Amino acid sequence: KAGVTQTPRYLIKTRGQQVTLSCSPISGHRSVSWYQQTPGQGLQFLFEYFSETQRNKGNFPGRFSGRQFSNSRSEMNVSTLELGDSALYLCASTNPANTEAFFGQGTRLTVV
Amino acid sequence: TQLLEQSPQFLSIQEGENLTVYCNSSSVFSSLQWYRQEPGEGPVLLVTVVTGGEVKKLKRLTFQFGDARKDSSLHITAAQPGDTGLYLCADNTGTASKLTFGTGTRLQVTL
Repeated sequence: KAGVTQTPRYLIKTRGQQVTLSCSPISGHRSVSWYQQTPGQGLQFLFEYFSETQRNKGNFPGRFSGRQFSNSRSEMNVSTLELGDSALYLCASTNPANTEAFFGQGTRLTVV
Repeated sequence: TQLLEQSPQFLSIQEGENLTVYCNSSSVFSSLQWYRQEPGEGPVLLVTVVTGGEVKKLKRLTFQFGDARKDSSLHITAAQPGDTGLYLCADNTGTASKLTFGTGTRLQVTL
């Protein structure tokens, strides 16, 4: 069974640009969550999508947005990038029993 | 907002030593999970504890949940280099799709 796949693995962007990250969940998992990991703030919840609808949202500005497609694949978009957005962005899909999250390897975003 | 503090922040030990890391919450856990994250990878679930006072063992790892469900510990016996990584506690707030993570303990085990 394939795991959670995130693309790309690495990205370098310039301040002010926007970026889109992609996440393919484990087959059969309908919930996809996104997290930001930084040395200073640790691992923080961004938002969760279930059946193409945002079900939960963390405390991040509106520049961070996402969507989910009918095949449960999800994308995350960050607009008007700031230096502080440099981070590892992790995606997780959750099993149908909602007891375990399975994480991808992450996308390392560097904003210069 | 729930705050999860882990201690120590960093730990460097030699192979064969024992260690304990701690996780303390400002409020009662819904249920507590421990994850390990290796360099270049996402976190991987080690265990879920739900009941106050619960103890779970996973080979050389022993997880304990406090009676009041506001703290937990992870004890590793005879650490090995393969135990190296970032150990994270998390509250699943009633759903594994929205996790609140602790500050993390970075463990380095050397030969």
